[in-house]
Amino acid sequence: DVKVTQSSRYLVKRTGEKVFLECVQDMDHENMFWYRQDPGLGLRLIYFSYDVKMKEKGDIPEGYSVSREKKERFSLILESASTNQTSMYLCASSLDNNYGYTFGSGTRLTVV
Amino acid sequence: KQEVTQIPAALSVPEGENLVLNCSFTDSAIYNLQWFRQDPGKGLTSLLLIQSSQREQTSGRLNASLDKSSGRSTLYIAASQPGDSATYLCAVPQDTGRRALTFGSGTRLQVQP
Repeated sequence: DVKVTQSSRYLVKRTGEKVFLECVQDMDHENMFWYRQDPGLGLRLIYFSYDVKMKEKGDIPEGYSVSREKKERFSLILESASTNQTSMYLCASSLDNNYGYTFGSGTRLTVV
Repeated sequence: KQEVTQIPAALSVPEGENLVLNCSFTDSAIYNLQWFRQDPGKGLTSLLLIQSSQREQTSGRLNASLDKSSGRSTLYIAASQPGDSATYLCAVPQDTGRRALTFGSGTRLQVQP
């Protein structure tokens, strides 16, 4: 089975800090995604990547950037964390459009 | 832009009941539709993936159907158990060619023992 691993389950950071959320998949998938999930707003796409060094903005990219230097790793970066970025962050990967998505277990980020 | 709606938002049933969760989408030009389960505070677990050429998929007590022309999918859970309590989400690709998923807001299911 494909495994998607997010490095932290819980994270507490201070306002203004630079925050890195890491995601690693072990099945050579082309596509990787970052979503955030908030009560009442559901899952919203932040960024995705369809190849190494390639990235595309999702629906809510403001305040975030991403890095994909290696195929298996997709990092989400909060350049200057703010309290409105407190959320559950979910990483996913997929082989292509014909295959399903596999999600990591999520990172609950709290910005204080 | 693709929009996905799930009805009902919440459902509480006694153990043993058969139940149906509904999902509708606005753009019928989809590659596939995927159903997920999410336990509180956890990530998403894939349950079933239906390709656009298929009408249904089954896994154990779960059966998902897809009617592309009407923009609808249903997830049928047979003989529900307390362990089925979770939020169920459906998702489809955002639009033609785009790889990312658009999710419904989910149905929160509680199965009473």
